[in-house]
Amino acid sequence: AQSVTQLDSQVPVFEEAPVELRCNYSSSVSVYLFWYVQYPNQGLQLLLKYLSGSTLVKGINGFEAEFNKSQTSFHLRKPSVHISDTAEYFCGGTSGSRLTFGEGTQLTVNP
Amino acid sequence: NAGVMQNPRHLVRRRGQEARLRCSPMKGHSHVYWYRQLPEEGLKFMVYLQKENIIDESGMPKERFSAEFPKEGPSILRIQQVVRGDSAAYFCASSPGPSDGYTFGSGTRLTVV
Repeated sequence: AQSVTQLDSQVPVFEEAPVELRCNYSSSVSVYLFWYVQYPNQGLQLLLKYLSGSTLVKGINGFEAEFNKSQTSFHLRKPSVHISDTAEYFCGGTSGSRLTFGEGTQLTVNP
Repeated sequence: NAGVMQNPRHLVRRRGQEARLRCSPMKGHSHVYWYRQLPEEGLKFMVYLQKENIIDESGMPKERFSAEFPKEGPSILRIQQVVRGDSAAYFCASSPGPSDGYTFGSGTRLTVV
């Protein structure tokens, strides 16, 4: 079964700094990987997804992620964050019939 | 094209009452998923349904919880005899297929008093 681990529960950064949110997965079958963002009191919004092909995936709001099969990682990056990027970020992976999420990373962007 | 619609947004129930949460998937999506998010925790998978079929209910508590996705109408998550520990945000998602990204609704926040 697929499992997903987000290595940091909280990531504080200053505005305009780069950020990386880490995600590792484990699976013995082919995987589909996703990053979602959740703003307070809202549902989840898809940032980007990896299904196959290029290992560098670009998403919305300037985010990108790189699929690294040898390290079983799918880290999310943004070169310069804004205050409005403050939110909870979830990494998810599918194997079979369902999408499994990590525990989430709270990104807090400070002025 | 409306997104995934969940209602109600907020639901308050007394202990022992029943809670019914509704989810209308996006047009053209035949796969529906329910997740629960407890305070300060991540999203836990509950159940995966297609029209008239439960595909995977391995995340559902064995008692008091049930889900359906009838041929007509929304998917329903039903919690009987609610307890305080059921207080959580319940999210529904839909997709055209299991390898596509899920589209999530805004959730139903259940409070049991």
